[in-house]
Amino acid sequence: QQQVKQSPQSLIVQKGGISIINCAYENTAFDYFPWYQQFPGKGPALLIAIRPDVSEKKEGRFTISFNKSAKQFSLHIMDSQPGDSATYFCAASIRYNQGGKLIFGQGTELSVKP
Amino acid sequence: DTEVTQTPKHLVMGMTNKKSLKCEQHMGHRAMYWYKQKAKKPPELMFVYSYEKLSINESVPSRFSPECPNSSLLNLHLHALQPEDSALYLCASSQRTSGSVSYNEQFFGPGTRLTVL
Repeated sequence: QQQVKQSPQSLIVQKGGISIINCAYENTAFDYFPWYQQFPGKGPALLIAIRPDVSEKKEGRFTISFNKSAKQFSLHIMDSQPGDSATYFCAASIRYNQGGKLIFGQGTELSVKP
Repeated sequence: DTEVTQTPKHLVMGMTNKKSLKCEQHMGHRAMYWYKQKAKKPPELMFVYSYEKLSINESVPSRFSPECPNSSLLNLHLHALQPEDSALYLCASSQRTSGSVSYNEQFFGPGTRLTVL
């Protein structure tokens, strides 16, 4: 019940196209949903995040769409660029044992072709 | 300053060695985390410190020993590791974890690439 399911596992998009990555969860106790971008050999970088009382959040070319009733959220990357090629992780946060815990999806390897 | 720093960047150690990983943040965050990440997998939570006290230990083997000397520093002491412990070790920090919501906007460091021979 604490899982976050992420799809697709890998994604190839042409430059200028839209990249869409989807995540689904079951536990309604999750209260915060961040997306992380990770380049090879680097730590994950917080990209954008949303709280469950908001249906959409946009920052530049990155948009999170959140559907609370369906327990799904997605990342849209508009005008995808080769520099966006990285692994993307969705996550969900939950209060846990006097701390907060992030549950990560399995990751999506995005490749943007020039 | 929104940076989490980690040293060393790379570490190679034998199974009988003792070594330490270090993490530092100057964002005033009161929660700090250790994660382990294998290739092509998501980060896997190991430990959480909240206000310098250990609040979560995800059943990590005792050959990994965390320490939080103060609110800005986090160490991970390593002893008698196994080759399967080779991984990228990530440190992260967040503002706080108390209250009714998790406020879990975590910022990650670049990691330490650990190889156990």
